[in-house]
Amino acid sequence: KNQVEQSPQSLIILEGKNCTLQCNYTVSPFSNLRWYKQDTGRGPVSLTIMTFSENTKSNGRYTATLDADTKQSSLHITASQLSDSASYICVVTTQGAQKLVFGQGTRLTINP
Amino acid sequence: GAGVSQSPRYKVAKRGQDVALRCDPISGHVSLFWYQQALGQGPEFLTYFQNEAQLDKSGLPSDRFFAERPEGSVSTLKIQRTQQEDSAVYLCASSLGQGSNQPQHFGDGTRLSIL
Repeated sequence: KNQVEQSPQSLIILEGKNCTLQCNYTVSPFSNLRWYKQDTGRGPVSLTIMTFSENTKSNGRYTATLDADTKQSSLHITASQLSDSASYICVVTTQGAQKLVFGQGTRLTINP
Repeated sequence: GAGVSQSPRYKVAKRGQDVALRCDPISGHVSLFWYQQALGQGPEFLTYFQNEAQLDKSGLPSDRFFAERPEGSVSTLKIQRTQQEDSAVYLCASSLGQGSNQPQHFGDGTRLSIL
């Protein structure tokens, strides 16, 4: 059973529109939650890292939220650009552990 | 270079051959991680080094997989007697410290295809 579930699996929107990606996790005990962007053929690049006490964090047009009680996170992208086309992966770390537990990602396509 | 470097970028091997994948982490980074990413999936943890010590190898799928980091810098992931299910992208990541809140910096991976 995947401990990090993402939805939707894929999403297509028009350039300039906003979108929100969802992440639910069951990993426990929780340490932090990260969102990564992965372009095709490239390694993941970190967008945000949030610990238990943080419920929102922004990085430019990217805003991540975290509800540690319901174990849910979202990534909101505003004013999308063609370069936002990529996979967005939600990643959770367990307390005291080093390894990351990855979701399957949401494949986002921005059309002109 | 400034980032994590992996080589080769692409590797094609026949089933049964041994392969070796190399990772050059960011200079000074203590922690190094290997991940396996199947097509259309998120990466899955393979193993973790702190300096030269392999502290967690719980993700290695079989004893055909072996990783080393003898001098606490460059790391090699070796796969013996490759099988078709080993086809995947192998990602390496490094982080400066050892805390679980440290950001991990990824290389662009080695795409391994087993024929």
